Amino acid sequence: AQKVTQAQTEISVVEKEDVTLDCVYETRDTTYYLFWYKQPPSGELVFLIRRNSFDEQNEISGRYSWNFQKSTSSFNFTITASQVVDSAVYFCALSEPYSGTYKYIFGTGTRLKVLA
Amino acid sequence: SQTIHQWPATLVQPVGSPLSLECTVEGTSNPNLYWYRQAAGRGLQLLFYSVGIGQISSEVPQNLSASRPQDRQFILSSKKLLLSDSGFYLCAWSRRQGETQYFGPGTRLLVL
Repeated sequence: AQKVTQAQTEISVVEKEDVTLDCVYETRDTTYYLFWYKQPPSGELVFLIRRNSFDEQNEISGRYSWNFQKSTSSFNFTITASQVVDSAVYFCALSEPYSGTYKYIFGTGTRLKVLA
Repeated sequence: SQTIHQWPATLVQPVGSPLSLECTVEGTSNPNLYWYRQAAGRGLQLLFYSVGIGQISSEVPQNLSASRPQDRQFILSSKKLLLSDSGFYLCAWSRRQGETQYFGPGTRLLVL
């Protein structure tokens, strides 16, 4: 069965610290997508990244980086030198585009608080 | 570029009143459209999904309904609101099944 687990409910860090948000997934499909979204206090879900299952290259975008490891079924997200503006709820999600289902499987989210 | 709009941004309604939330997408054609609800401090629950005009799939039985009268318009409705309908409603679109979903700004609904 498909599942996304974000075990960290809430994380607090002091500004400029690095922080890693964990995401572990379960799927039987060989083709799937993984996503990260940011939900700031305003509420809108902001798309951050999509990875497909055939591309295990890690990605860096500014202070954000993602570590995709199929061997451990993990897709972790690291924020380097965190800032107060990074405070938000972060969701990891899984989709299986060729499985006949249109659903995203969302994790329960990790609330990140960056303290000044 | 594509944009997605939702209105109203905030709504306070009495129990038993009707509801109509609207979502429109610009800059793309034949999108897949989604309605989600997020209760306070909780995760996202998919309510409805549409692959085309007049085609609606419901995820959970409930007090709500959805319609897609035009290609890029998705409407969430209720004939009689319940207290439990309070929450944050998000509309999203994607180009194809399973691909990236892009979310609108959301509507905060409070039923009193």
